[in-house]
Amino acid sequence: AQSVTQLDSQVPVFEEAPVELRCNYSSSVSVYLFWYVQYPNQGLQLLLKYLSGSTLVKGINGFEAEFNKSQTSFHLRKPSVHISDTAEYFCAVSSSGGYNKLIFGAGTRLAVHP
Amino acid sequence: EPEVTQTPSHQVTQMGQEVILRCVPISNHLYFYWYRQILGQKVEFLVSFYNNEISEKSEIFDDQFSVERPDGSNFTLKIRSTKLEDSAMYFCASRAATNEKLFFGSGTQLSVL
Repeated sequence: AQSVTQLDSQVPVFEEAPVELRCNYSSSVSVYLFWYVQYPNQGLQLLLKYLSGSTLVKGINGFEAEFNKSQTSFHLRKPSVHISDTAEYFCAVSSSGGYNKLIFGAGTRLAVHP
Repeated sequence: EPEVTQTPSHQVTQMGQEVILRCVPISNHLYFYWYRQILGQKVEFLVSFYNNEISEKSEIFDDQFSVERPDGSNFTLKIRSTKLEDSAMYFCASRAATNEKLFFGSGTQLSVL
């Protein structure tokens, strides 16, 4: 079975500061890893994904994440956040075969303050 | 960018009533999913659908739930007799056969009174 742990339920940060949202996963098989963002009253939007290859993945809106197999982590980072980055961020994992259902973490609420 | 469309955006129903949530996946996609998110909780997988049959379902997806692709473009989720605990945001998602990116709809907020 697979699971995802997002250790921080809320992360407050000031505008233009760097941020890291933590994600750890567990799986007995090879996985794909994803970060999704959910703005208020909207659906889920893919930020970035790791399928294979380079462990540093760059996504939209200036976000990046690094896959660390030994630490089973896939932390999301942004060097300088904007007010508009305020949203809920979900880390997700899927097995690399089969029908690829996503298992989501509980989410991290990023609140960017002026 | 192509979109997954869900209707209605909000649905209010009485406990025990049947509801049908509708989704129009992206036209060339072959894999279809329903997820739900109870307020304040994580997004949960309900069911996946491929080649006109359920490929996987979660424990949540009991006999009260069913899915259908009636006409090659719509993908529906039916809840036969709604319970209070079915109140949630329901997301439809689809993906193409050779692309791992899941496209999500904006969701249907179901409120069971």
